[in-house]
Amino acid sequence: SAVISQKPSRDICQRGTSLTIQCQVDSQVTMMFWYRQQPGQSLTLIATANQGSEATYESGFVIDKFPISRPNLTFSTLTVSNMSPEDSSIYLCSVEDSGTVAGAFFGQGTRLTVV
Amino acid sequence: GNSVTQMEGPVTLSEEAFLTINCTYTATGYPSLFWYVQYPGEGLQLLLKATKADDKGSNKGFEATYRKETTSFHLEKGSVQVSDSAVYFCALSARRTGNQFYFGTGTSLTVIP
Repeated sequence: SAVISQKPSRDICQRGTSLTIQCQVDSQVTMMFWYRQQPGQSLTLIATANQGSEATYESGFVIDKFPISRPNLTFSTLTVSNMSPEDSSIYLCSVEDSGTVAGAFFGQGTRLTVV
Repeated sequence: GNSVTQMEGPVTLSEEAFLTINCTYTATGYPSLFWYVQYPGEGLQLLLKATKADDKGSNKGFEATYRKETTSFHLEKGSVQVSDSAVYFCALSARRTGNQFYFGTGTSLTVIP
């Protein structure tokens, strides 16, 4: 199994500012995923990040709002830009188990509150 | 397309009661199916999984069987405990979509003593 460290674990931010969330994995993985979990709701995929290529965004999410970096096989960042209260959510990093579908592994999440 | 439909909550049970949380899915191809649990204030944890039809996943007294004919993966536990209080998510993963996970809406379970 993969161990994922995500930080910050929580933050309270002013509207109009940006926050960068970091995700560190203890092993090399091909694909990393970023999800959003809005209050009381399920997880929604924001984008898939592969090392060496631009992230692939899901419908409703754009690079200008959620820029993603994937500089190597163990690290990724998600930035939430120009934040508004509607961006208040839990953001989760996830990785697959390479080679087999053993189950996606999730970080503890970043609880973001925008005021 | 791929999607997961999960039983609405919240669910409140007394300790030692029997639990069933229904989950059905729609998928192209042959997905793998999962149940995740989220305890209050924590991240998602994999509870159990099944990767092909008729497989039974089990963990911590929870079970779910991959039923291809009914496209279902219902979660069951014979005797719940207060410590089982959490939100439970059914999910599927299909290799055709790069192992992206599709989640149900989650079912909140509260077990009272």
